[in-house]
Amino acid sequence: AQKITQTQPGMFVQEKEAVTLDCTYDTSDPSYGLFWYKQPSSGEMIFLIYQGSYDQQNATEGRYSLNFQKARKSANLVISASQLGDSAMYFCAMREGQSGYSTLTFGKGTMLLVSP
Amino acid sequence: DSGVTQTPKHLITATGQRVTLRCSPRSGDLSVYWYQQSLDQGLQFLIQYYNGEERAKGNILERFSAQQFPDLHSELNLSSLELGDSALYFCASSVGVSGGHTDTQYFGPGTRLTVL
Repeated sequence: AQKITQTQPGMFVQEKEAVTLDCTYDTSDPSYGLFWYKQPSSGEMIFLIYQGSYDQQNATEGRYSLNFQKARKSANLVISASQLGDSAMYFCAMREGQSGYSTLTFGKGTMLLVSP
Repeated sequence: DSGVTQTPKHLITATGQRVTLRCSPRSGDLSVYWYQQSLDQGLQFLIQYYNGEERAKGNILERFSAQQFPDLHSELNLSSLELGDSALYFCASSVGVSGGHTDTQYFGPGTRLTVL
């Protein structure tokens, strides 16, 4: 079974609108972290936001917030007030366990296009 | 700019050849990770080093090897190259093992390898 599922291959949004990118995960470990990364067309991977499994509040970083629903095993990324520069590929990733030896597992990504 | 540097940015070589990709982690980071991103396989974890020692291994081929040096920079060696090895190779770094799943990985800009 896939550990990270991103069901939206592509999303379109108009500038200044909010958009939600879906991510569901599968783990039996009670301790895990969820990450979102952005990959623009230039190729680099940019860290956006992190949510720990024990965190009580949803993570926020500027225009990014993570809608964490533990019971549903979902960790959706919300981008408020979209900008043209938000057009990119977005990856959800998970790291399980307390040990730093565990690896990041990535979803297949969602391509976001922001139109003027 | 994540603070992780990778050289070269682009590499074009022929089948059967050997190449070395280089990575310098962020200042203070002890862990280095290598990932391969291809269209068909997505983002795949290859290998992790922590303070010079191998700590985790993913889907790394036997033709590939890596090491982390005393100054903490890392090299990924790819030998007997095949057409299918063409991909974007990322290095990432993080503070280290003790952070567990909270240990955020920051990615370098990647090396795009083309095997002709």
